Amino acid sequence: KAGVTQTPRYLIKTRGQQVTLSCSPISGHRSVSWYQQTPGQGLQFLFEYFSETQRNKGNFPGRFSGRQFSNSRSEMNVSTLELGDSALYLCASSLTGTGAFLSANEQYFGPGTRLTVT
Amino acid sequence: KQEVTQIPAALSVPEGENLVLNCSFTDSAIYNLQWFRQDPGKGLTSLLLIQSSQREQTSGRLNASLDKSSGRSTLYIAASQPGDSATYLCAPWWEDKIIFGKGTRLHILP
Repeated sequence: KAGVTQTPRYLIKTRGQQVTLSCSPISGHRSVSWYQQTPGQGLQFLFEYFSETQRNKGNFPGRFSGRQFSNSRSEMNVSTLELGDSALYLCASSLTGTGAFLSANEQYFGPGTRLTVT
Repeated sequence: KQEVTQIPAALSVPEGENLVLNCSFTDSAIYNLQWFRQDPGKGLTSLLLIQSSQREQTSGRLNASLDKSSGRSTLYIAASQPGDSATYLCAPWWEDKIIFGKGTRLHILP
């Protein structure tokens, strides 16, 4: 069974540009969550999608957005990039999500996309 | 406001020792708690998931316990090996958010 895949693995962008990152979950998983990891702030939750609907959202500005397609693949978009957006962006998939929704399932993480903003 | 703390931040022990990593969280109304390991520059690998109704979970040499009322979880690693060297993160999930601790960086000395 293939794991969670993320593309691209590395990305260099210029301040002010926008970027789109892609995540393909494990087959059969319907929940996809996105995280930002930086040395200073650690791992922070961005948002979670389930059945094409954003179900939970972390405390990030509106420049960070996402969507999920009918095949559960998800994309994350960051507009008007800032230097502080340089980070490792991780996505995770699970069968039905975690927390209060149905029964909690383990999250499986992809290798991440390393975004550098110059 | 929910917060998650992991102690110690770093730990170096000789191979073969048993060790305990600690995770504490404010707001005991969690739904579950997951332990992960992260190798440098890589994504996270799930180790154990404990539901809020459970007290512990075991997988091989790993045992995670949860005391929800006191806001604590521990990860016990038995007979440590150099391959266990990594950063270990705990992540409690509340109704609408998951918060990761900053992690414990573990180094097992051969």
